[in-house]
Amino acid sequence: GQQLNQSPQSMFIQEGEDVSMNCTSSSIFNTWLWYKQDPGEGPVLLIALYKAGELTSNGRLTAQFGITRKDSFLNISASIPSDVGIYFCALGNTGTASKLTFGTGTRLQVTL
Amino acid sequence: NAGVTQTPKFQVLKTGQSMTLQCAQDMNHNSMYWYRQDPGMGLRLIYYSASEGTTDKGEVPNGYNVSRLNKREFSLRLESAAPSQTSVYFCASSAGPFNYGYTFGSGTRLTVV
Repeated sequence: GQQLNQSPQSMFIQEGEDVSMNCTSSSIFNTWLWYKQDPGEGPVLLIALYKAGELTSNGRLTAQFGITRKDSFLNISASIPSDVGIYFCALGNTGTASKLTFGTGTRLQVTL
Repeated sequence: NAGVTQTPKFQVLKTGQSMTLQCAQDMNHNSMYWYRQDPGMGLRLIYYSASEGTTDKGEVPNGYNVSRLNKREFSLRLESAAPSQTSVYFCASSAGPFNYGYTFGSGTRLTVV
């Protein structure tokens, strides 16, 4: 099956620091997405990327779809306590069912 | 403003018992999905339904069955629960083909003892 590697597995940072995490896949896909899961909740879509090289921002979040179409990164600037959670990258297939393959997640902890 | 509703939120089963996890969405979405989340393994697709009347296996379907009862409801059944099925189960929905903006429910935490 599709290999989707996400790193780091976990991060402990101080409030105000910038954060960077990334995902790599073993195959080329056409859509990269980033989701965030708050404790005790289901994941919520943060950013969707549809073109190689695309750079998209959503507030303090910035994500890029790699030129090779096999990787993506997510940056969070000036972290705040509510950034705590698990961040997942996901790949979209081109079939009719819009199935997503999720990475293993990056757990982010923010200390004051 | 309900979105995707899952019931129950918590469940403890004995090995060999059966149960059905319920999921309903009120967004008129065509596609629905069941994922399981285990520590260090992310979310893995169990079954999905591209549209009303169709269901297909995902990455980890063994030990599960599903029913797309109507456009709103998609249930997941464990016929004979095993400890390996201890997990958090998420239902999600999306508008349809090429729409990856999933809306997830808040999950069902299942423990099989």
